[in-house]
Amino acid sequence: AQTVTQSQPEMSVQEAETVTLSCTYDTSESDYYLFWYKQPPSRQMILVIRQEAYKQQNATENRFSVNFQKAAKSFSLKISDSQLGDAAMYFCAYNSGYALNFGKGTSLLVTP
Amino acid sequence: SQTIHQWPATLVQPVGSPLSLECTVEGTSNPNLYWYRQAAGRGLQLLFYSVGIGQISSEVPQNLSASRPQDRQFILSSKKLLLSDSGFYLCAWSVGAVPYNEQFFGPGTRLTVL
Repeated sequence: AQTVTQSQPEMSVQEAETVTLSCTYDTSESDYYLFWYKQPPSRQMILVIRQEAYKQQNATENRFSVNFQKAAKSFSLKISDSQLGDAAMYFCAYNSGYALNFGKGTSLLVTP
Repeated sequence: SQTIHQWPATLVQPVGSPLSLECTVEGTSNPNLYWYRQAAGRGLQLLFYSVGIGQISSEVPQNLSASRPQDRQFILSSKKLLLSDSGFYLCAWSVGAVPYNEQFFGPGTRLTVL
């Protein structure tokens, strides 16, 4: 079974600073996708960024980028120039089939 | 553009009562549909998914069931709720025969079983 581990239950960052959220996963598959979702207080899950395992280039979406290390099975999210609106729960997710396997999440606090 | 609706937004039900949560998707055809549950302080757990009308796959054995009576409608049901059924229920959709595509989530239903 695939598992996704987020070892940081909570993280804090100052506005305009950079923060990195960690994620590791366990799989025997060679073809899969990885995602970061954001869940603000409204609790709606919002896709932040995705990474295809066969692509070596790290995905980037504006202030959000990932560091994908396939051999190490690591998939961290970097948020640059943090904004107050970035405060939320962040979930790492793995997909090799229909199911998304989620980590337990990291709560990100952004301080002014 | 595609939108996904869920209702009700909040529900409080007594133990042993029935349940029906509804999810509908607009702006796309033949989507893959999913029901997830999020317990307090936890990530999401996939309950059911459907790749077409009348096609339901169950990921977790429980007293819940799902149905897909129409292409863009997905219903989560229970005949008798348990206390452990409390949680936040999210419906999601994706498109494409390849299941690797990202999933898009609805606003969710908060269910409290008393």
